[in-house]
Amino acid sequence: DGGITQSPKYLFRKEGQNVTLSCEQNLNHDAMYWYRQDPGQGLRLIYYSQIVNDFQKGDIAEGYSVSREKKESFPLTVTSAQKNPTAFYLCASSIALLYEQYFGPGTRLTVT
Amino acid sequence: AQSVTQLDSQVPVFEEAPVELRCNYSSSVSVYLFWYVQYPNQGLQLLLKYLSGSTLVKGINGFEAEFNKSQTSFHLRKPSVHISDTAEYFCAVKARGGQNFVFGPGTRLSVLP
Repeated sequence: DGGITQSPKYLFRKEGQNVTLSCEQNLNHDAMYWYRQDPGQGLRLIYYSQIVNDFQKGDIAEGYSVSREKKESFPLTVTSAQKNPTAFYLCASSIALLYEQYFGPGTRLTVT
Repeated sequence: AQSVTQLDSQVPVFEEAPVELRCNYSSSVSVYLFWYVQYPNQGLQLLLKYLSGSTLVKGINGFEAEFNKSQTSFHLRKPSVHISDTAEYFCAVKARGGQNFVFGPGTRLSVLP
């Protein structure tokens, strides 16, 4: 059964700690994306990747980092430099940059 | 650059009534248009898309949308809603030849019994 998995669904961290969110897809999609969702603000693009070993900053990349060592995987690290990391994080993928995106179930990160 | 406006942040409607969720966009180039639905604490699911051709697009769960180029709109409609349609709905645009999607702020549809 093809799809996008994100783990864990809920994540709690203390302020000052880095945390890595997992995103895996078995759809054989080339492009992958990370979004942040806050209430009433829609989705904001953090990073995206068109191919393995290549990625670009989105609109709100500060305080985040990513890697794309495998086609199937696009982990997101929320660093201690991110001033307001508590949010719902969504990973998505697409066949190519042309087509619609498919989304994972999301990870809700709470930092206290 | 593109932008998306969803004028209604919340839309309450009674079960079996019709509903229209409004989406307007701005872009200096031609765009592709999408509607997504998000149920609580879940990811987004594609409802429908407009890429080219007929301006009336039918999607899943009985939803449809009409692309109006002159009004730069892509409103979502359903003739009769169900309780299960209660969710947040996002309109998104992507420039033809562009790389990224731009999402609207969302409209929360609440279907009342």
